Parts: sequence; structure tokens; C-alpha cells
Amino acid sequence: DAKTTQPPSMDCAEGRAANLPCNHSTISGNEYVYWYRQIHSQGPQYIIHGLKNNETNEMASLIITEDRKSSTLILPHATLRDTAVYYCIVGYGGATNKLIFGTGTLLAVQP
Amino acid sequence: ETGVTQSPTHLIKTRGQQVTLRCSSQSGHNTVSWYQQALGQGPQFIFQYYREEENGRGNFPPRFSGLQFPNYSSELNVNALELDDSALYLCASSDPISQSTDTQYFGPGTRLTVL
Repeated sequence: DAKTTQPPSMDCAEGRAANLPCNHSTISGNEYVYWYRQIHSQGPQYIIHGLKNNETNEMASLIITEDRKSSTLILPHATLRDTAVYYCIVGYGGATNKLIFGTGTLLAVQP
Repeated sequence: ETGVTQSPTHLIKTRGQQVTLRCSSQSGHNTVSWYQQALGQGPQFIFQYYREEENGRGNFPPRFSGLQFPNYSSELNVNALELDDSALYLCASSDPISQSTDTQYFGPGTRLTVL
């Protein structure tokens, strides 16, 4: 079973920041938080991952709480192409270990 | 584009038949993982291959089997197809050695329909 809890759906206005929450209260000390997204009928796409510190890349920012029990993925300026299912995944070593997906959050970016 | 390709794109089979799905990994990646995604669900891990050896398996019966070749391309074989095997099958390649890319890169998937 997935070790994360996410809202099933969210809306966001185009051009605004999209903040997607994730709860992972049972995360272990060495487990990372990974975010993937899946646009309709495509394979999942890696977005970002982190352990303790906040992370930022060209796609998004990841904010992890100090107790590591929750995190937020931030898309700073959402576009219509960001409409997708977003998955928050907790685990060890993303390249070598299985990814346990939940049902994710369907983000609908509205014009 | 991840550089991971899968074939065929779509496939229709009947119950009891056998199917082989193919995956070509991103260049330089020696690890491949296969996932099954039923409609409306997140992907479920089937198994992983590292340098041609199985390196972990999810909760799938033995009729799901795989191969990885020396060029790191991979096959997923499913025998005695059942209606519930209808799903999107995804492969993902990765490079465990790389420090900067600790993640899996997914292909576009093969949509299997079992009638």
C-alpha cells in the first residue's frame, strides 16, 4: 500500500501557483519524497525529489516540513499543460527500488 | 521525451492467450522496471531487472515473467491472459550509479486489452 495521502483532485487558475499537498506521517529517516506526474495516456514523468531540505528545479519546488511528515509540491506558474495526475511517493533510492504509487491528485488547470 | 520506447502501443488479445511486450531503455541505463496500471489506479510494480537478473518482484503471479538482454532492452511476458490483465503496461529505466539522476524514466506504455 502507498505510504502517502493526497487529495483526489484540485483546481488551479492558469498563471497562478499550484500547491499540491501530501501527507506521509510514517516516513522513515532515510526515505526520500518523490513527485511524479502523469499526463493523460502518457507514462509518469519525474518532477523532483528530496530528503530533508527544500528543493527547487526548473519544473517545481518541493517543501518538506521539519518533521518530514508532510510535503508540498509547488508549480509556480501553472499552465494548461500542467493538467495531470500528480503522485507523491515515499521510498529509498528511486533508481533501484520499486515506486509505490497511490491514486494521486488530479490537478485541473483552468483557463 | 525520456528516450524509453515501448512496443506495441496497443494490443488486443483473448483470454488464455500469451503476450510479449517490449521496452527499449534510455541509453546507458542498466536497470528496467515494469509496472501495471489499471484504469483509474496508480501504477503497480511488477518486477525489476538489473544487468539481466531479476532484482525484485511485486505481488504478481509467476505467469508474469520478464527478460533483460545484454543491450538492456527488456521483455514482459504474460501467459494465460485473464480479463483483469487489461491495463496499461509501463516500463521504466534507470541508472543506479548516477548520483544526479536517482529516478526512473518511464516509457509511454502499452495498452493491453483482453477480451
